[in-house]
Amino acid sequence: EAGVVQSPRYKIIEKKQPVAFWCNPISGHNTLYWYLQNLGQGPELLIRYENEEAVDDSQLPKDRFSAERLKGVDSTLKIQPAELGDSAVYLCASSLTGAREQFFGPGTRLTVL
Amino acid sequence: KQEVTQIPAALSVPEGENLVLNCSFTDSAIYNLQWFRQDPGKGLTSLLLIQSSQREQTSGRLNASLDKSSGRSTLYIAASQPGDSATYLCAASNSNSGYALNFGKGTSLLVTP
Repeated sequence: EAGVVQSPRYKIIEKKQPVAFWCNPISGHNTLYWYLQNLGQGPELLIRYENEEAVDDSQLPKDRFSAERLKGVDSTLKIQPAELGDSAVYLCASSLTGAREQFFGPGTRLTVL
Repeated sequence: KQEVTQIPAALSVPEGENLVLNCSFTDSAIYNLQWFRQDPGKGLTSLLLIQSSQREQTSGRLNASLDKSSGRSTLYIAASQPGDSATYLCAASNSNSGYALNFGKGTSLLVTP
């Protein structure tokens, strides 16, 4: 069974440019998470989806970050405009339901110059 | 908010040694606790999941325990191997926060031949 797929794996952009990350969760997993991981830190939740509904986006900086999960499967996380401090690894995870074991993708490493 | 702490931050052991990684959490009303492994530049690999009703889980040379009353979990690795070298993260989820994982900063383990 395929795991969580993320693309791109690496992205380098100039500050103030837009960037988007894509995630395809494990088939049948209703819950999808986006986490942010800074160097030397554990991941921190940005947003959680139950099917297509964003049920927890309290940690998402909504002035520049947006996310969507159309049809309750794939998800896209966007930053516009990117700032130097956004350089980090963006991880996507999925689980059957919110209460179950979470499985992570390989992440997208973003560098903002 | 659930706070998770891991000690030590780094650990170096010779091959073959048994070792224990520690994780503590502030809110004992956890739903489950998950241990992950993260290799450099990679995503998170789930190792063990302990439900709040369980005391321990085992997988191969790994054994994780959970003591909710004291707010502690340990990951025991038997007969360590160089291939075990990685960062180990523990994460706790609570039902009152939508089951999102709250991570510690991890323990960086180096097993020397």
